[in-house]
Amino acid sequence: AQKITQTQPGMFVQEKEAVTLDCTYDTSDQSYGLFWYKQPSSGEMIFLIYQGSYDEQNATEGRYSLNFQKARKSANLVISASQLGDSAMYFCAMRGFTGGFKTIFGAGTRLFVKA
Amino acid sequence: EAGVAQSPRYKIIEKRQSVAFWCNPISGHATLYWYQQILGQGPKLLIQFQNNGVVDDSQLPKDRFSAERLKGVDSTLKIQPAKLEDSAVYLCASSLDSRTGGMGNEQFFGPGTRLTVL
Repeated sequence: AQKITQTQPGMFVQEKEAVTLDCTYDTSDQSYGLFWYKQPSSGEMIFLIYQGSYDEQNATEGRYSLNFQKARKSANLVISASQLGDSAMYFCAMRGFTGGFKTIFGAGTRLFVKA
Repeated sequence: EAGVAQSPRYKIIEKRQSVAFWCNPISGHATLYWYQQILGQGPKLLIQFQNNGVVDDSQLPKDRFSAERLKGVDSTLKIQPAKLEDSAVYLCASSLDSRTGGMGNEQFFGPGTRLTVL
């Protein structure tokens, strides 16, 4: 069965510093995709970054990068130069063939950015 | 480009009543998803449509929940009768065809409907 684990319920970071949000996953698929979404207090889920299981390089999107370690089955999100507007819930998600392309989400990590 | 639209944004009902939610996906998106997000948890997929066919409804409580996507565009999710534990945010999302477009098709989410069952 596919599973996503986010072990950090809450994280604090000082404004302008970098922060890493952890995500580990479990799947028997060889081909799968990993996603990170941001959910501000307004409630809408916002796509941040994607990493394919066959991508050799770690994905980057502006201040977001994904530290993909396939052998360890981890897909940590790194946010550089944190901003106050980064305070939100962050969800790691996975999609694979086994799940019929169903996307499963982790429990999320709440990030607090301090001024 | 217009985003995913959902209505209503908020709904308060008594237990055993019925409720319906509406979703209009992004134009051209073949795949539509309904998620239930209970406070403090990640979204849980209730049902996934590919055009107007159901791809996955394994986690949909079919004794009380139903969903349809007529003509492969708009979708409605209904709860009848509602229970206290149905209190949650119901998120609708859409994406390009997830089966032919590859793993990387991200989902675009609507603002959600916050349901409170008293």
